[in-house]
Amino acid sequence: AQSVTQPDIHITVSEGASLELRCNYSYGATPYLFWYVQSPGQGLQLLLKYFSGDTLVQGIKGFEAEFKRSQSSFNLRKPSVHWSDAAEYFCAVGNFGNEKLTFGTGTRLTIIP
Amino acid sequence: DAGVTQSPTHLIKTRGQQVTLRCSPKSGHDTVSWYQQALGQGPQFIFQYYEEEERQRGNFPDRFSGHQFPNYSSELNVNALLLGDSALYLCASSHRDSSPLHFGNGTRLTVT
Repeated sequence: AQSVTQPDIHITVSEGASLELRCNYSYGATPYLFWYVQSPGQGLQLLLKYFSGDTLVQGIKGFEAEFKRSQSSFNLRKPSVHWSDAAEYFCAVGNFGNEKLTFGTGTRLTIIP
Repeated sequence: DAGVTQSPTHLIKTRGQQVTLRCSPKSGHDTVSWYQQALGQGPQFIFQYYEEEERQRGNFPDRFSGHQFPNYSSELNVNALLLGDSALYLCASSHRDSSPLHFGNGTRLTVT
């Protein structure tokens, strides 16, 4: 069975500081990996996805993520956070066709001035 | 280009009642999936519809059912509501050629 672990429930960083959100997955085949962001009361917006190829993927809003098969990880990074990045971040894994995604429990990001 | 739209945005129901939630997919998309997101949790897959048929189903009881119409819009029905059904219900659409999921803003269901 596939699963996703986001070990950090809540992270607080200062505006302008760098950010890394952790994601570990368990999947039997080649995973399709995603990061989504959710603002309060809103749906999920896709930040980036990994299907194959280059293990460092670029997304929207200056985010990037690196796929490390040996560590079963897909961590999300941003070199300098903005106050508008405060939100809930979800990592997800799926198969080809990706309708049935398995999500982690999310990491809530707080930005302090 | 309209994205995924869901209605209503909020709903309050009583235990034992039935509810219907609606979803219109993003233009050009033909597949609709439904997810349940309980407070403080990640979304959980309920089921997926393509060509008006249920193609995949998650670990949800038969009280949860759905329908897809010829215009690709979809409904989620929940019968015999329980307090535990209170959640944000998210609809997501995609194209059968595996475009990423696009989510709507959800319907917040409260069961009292």
